[in-house]
Amino acid sequence: GDSVTQMEGPVTLSEEAFLTINCTYTATGYPSLFWYVQYPGEGLQLLLKATKADDKGSNKGFEATYRKETTSFHLEKGSVQVSDSAVYFCALFYAGGTSYGKLTFGQGTILTVHP
Amino acid sequence: DGGITQSPKYLFRKEGQNVTLSCEQNLNHDAMYWYRQDPGQGLRLIYYSQIVNDFQKGDIAEGYSVSREKKESFPLTVTSAQKNPTAFYLCASSAPGRVGSWEQFFGPGTRLTVL
Repeated sequence: GDSVTQMEGPVTLSEEAFLTINCTYTATGYPSLFWYVQYPGEGLQLLLKATKADDKGSNKGFEATYRKETTSFHLEKGSVQVSDSAVYFCALFYAGGTSYGKLTFGQGTILTVHP
Repeated sequence: DGGITQSPKYLFRKEGQNVTLSCEQNLNHDAMYWYRQDPGQGLRLIYYSQIVNDFQKGDIAEGYSVSREKKESFPLTVTSAQKNPTAFYLCASSAPGRVGSWEQFFGPGTRLTVL
C-alpha cells in the first residue's frame, strides 16, 4: 500500500540555519504530495503541495520539489525563524483505485528553532 | 469566515462511557474525514464521508462510529469498545472532483482524555 517515510526527529536548529526535512514515499501510480505544518495545540495547515513530477511547491520561504526518480519530496528552507517551530508532516494523495479521499501521512518531524 | 470548527477543545471521559465529538464546516465541501493523532505516529484515518448519508471505514474504525445527516456536520462517537481512546482527534474536509482540489482543510482538533 501507499506509505510515507519522514526523517526522524526531533530537529533542533539555531535561527537563520538551513533546514532540510527528508520525505520519501511509496505509491501506486503518480500521487499528489503535500507538506502540512502543525503549530502547538492546533490543527494542520497546508504548507505547500505539488501535483506532478518536477513540480516545485513553495510558501513562506519553504520549498519542496516532487522527484519521481527518487520518490522524494524533501522540505527545505534557507533561513529558519523561531516562529517556524512546529511539527511538519509529509503526505500523499492518490485518487486511483480504492484510495479515494485518503491522505497518507508520514509520522511527523518536530522542529525546534532556538534564537 | 469559512472554516472547520470542532468542539469541545478538551474532553474528559470516564472508562465505559461513549462520547461524541462535533465537527462542523461551512466551506460547502462534500467530503469530510476524521483522523486520530498519537505522538510519533502521524495521523491515522478513522472514517471518511464523500457525500451526505454515506461514509466509509478508514484504517482504524474499530470502536468508533459516525453519521453524516447534513453536508455541514460529521460527528464522531468514541464508544466504550475503543480500547485506547486517549488521543488528539482531527476533523478535515475537502472538495474532491475538481482538478487539484484534493487539499484537506483541518479543524483545530479535540483532545480526548480517558480518566
